[in-house]
Amino acid sequence: NAGVTQTPKFQVLKTGQSMTLQCAQDMNHEYMSWYRQDPGMGLRLIHYSVGAGITDQGEVPNGYNVSRSTTEDFPLRLLSAAPSQTSVYFCASSSGIKQRYNSPLHFGNGTRLTVT
Amino acid sequence: DAKTTQPNSMESNEEEPVHLPCNHSTISGTDYIHWYRQLPSQGPEYVIHGLTSNVNNRMASLAIAEDRKSSTLILHRATLRDAAVYYCILSRIQGAQKLVFGQGTRLTINP
Repeated sequence: NAGVTQTPKFQVLKTGQSMTLQCAQDMNHEYMSWYRQDPGMGLRLIHYSVGAGITDQGEVPNGYNVSRSTTEDFPLRLLSAAPSQTSVYFCASSSGIKQRYNSPLHFGNGTRLTVT
Repeated sequence: DAKTTQPNSMESNEEEPVHLPCNHSTISGTDYIHWYRQLPSQGPEYVIHGLTSNVNNRMASLAIAEDRKSSTLILHRATLRDAAVYYCILSRIQGAQKLVFGQGTRLTINP
């Protein structure tokens, strides 16, 4: 079982550059989400999706865009990277919209992004 | 959002039970209590969750107070691999699975 796969594992960007963090899951999960983790801040929700074609904002959406064209993929786009976006990014998924409060989240192993 | 309060750190010895407390005094009737843990350089990993009754699985047990204002994650026999940050989270029914992670408890296991 691959589970939730995130690429790349590490990335260094210069201020103003754009990039896409990839997230794919092979569990046919309806729900997918992106978190960022900063030292001393815990994980904060950026965006989430309850199914293909449906996305919504989390706690800290500014500077990030998402789309969900397939069930499997949920990419996170940084349009113009800023040093404040230096963080570790985690993608997560879970099954069953109707059971979402009983469904555990499955996390990827993260992408460590540095913006200089 | 309802918040949880956990100790910043705890320490225990290998092969001994560990009780990790969590306070959630503003919990509402429909909030589920979830526990996740995060090992170094990895994503969070689901441990257990419950609503009102105590729960057991192969990883741990979850004891929920009768008034639901607190809960305890129990690792019955800690191993060195259980050293991690443990997060207690409330999952509220409000449109999506917006799990809000706090600081968690850093658990150290001594050999």
